[in-house]
Amino acid sequence: QKEVEQNSGPLSVPEGAIASLNCTYSDRGSQSFFWYRQYSGKSPELIMSIYSNGDKEDGRFTAQLNKASQYVSLLIRDSQPSDSATYLCAVKNYGQNFVFGPGTRLSVLP
Amino acid sequence: EPEVTQTPSHQVTQMGQEVILRCVPISNHLYFYWYRQILGQKVEFLVSFYNNEISEKSEIFDDQFSVERPDGSNFTLKIRSTKLEDSAMYFCASKGGRRDEQFFGPGTRLTVL
Repeated sequence: QKEVEQNSGPLSVPEGAIASLNCTYSDRGSQSFFWYRQYSGKSPELIMSIYSNGDKEDGRFTAQLNKASQYVSLLIRDSQPSDSATYLCAVKNYGQNFVFGPGTRLSVLP
Repeated sequence: EPEVTQTPSHQVTQMGQEVILRCVPISNHLYFYWYRQILGQKVEFLVSFYNNEISEKSEIFDDQFSVERPDGSNFTLKIRSTKLEDSAMYFCASKGGRRDEQFFGPGTRLTVL
C-alpha cells in the first residue's frame, strides 16, 4: 500500500513567520512530488512541484526533497493570513495517478 | 489563464439513480483524471484516461463507474446506480504531455439521498 503521511495539524504560526510543512512517503520508487493548497470547500490548487533532491524556490515558497529519507517539505516564508488553508502533499509513482496525503491544516494568526 | 471547468457545481440525486458529471479539461492537455474527496478525508484517485481509453483505475472505480470523452472537449464520469457512500466532491484534473503537474477543476459536490 503506497502511503503518503502528513501531520494533520492544525499548525498555527504568527503572521510574518515561516511555516514548515512536512510529508513522508512509503514508495521508494516515487518520481514526482507536489504541494497543493486547498481552501475549505474548494479544489486543490497546485503550488509547487519538485522532481529532484534539493531545494526549489518559487516566491515565498520553497520545496525540499530528500529521496533517501523519503521526505518532502514545504516552507512558506512571511506567512500571511491568506495562506491559512490545508496543504496537500501528492506523490506520483510509476503510474499516472497521484497519491495524496491527508493534508496539514495551516492557520496563520494576524 | 486556461483552467479546468466542471458542471454541475452541485448535484443532488436519489440512491439508485444515474448521474453524469461533466468536465472540460484544459484544451491542449492529453491526460485526464477523476478524483473524489469524501468530506473530511483524503483526495482519492479514481481513474486516468489517455488516448481515448482508461490507462489506470483504482479499486474504487468499480463496474458502477464509467468514463467517456464524447467529443473533443468534454470528459464525463458516469455513476450508474448511486449509493449513499458515493456522496463526495468529485474533481476532474488534466495534465499536458510533458510535465507531471495535474490541474484540478472546481469540483462537483454529489449528494446522494
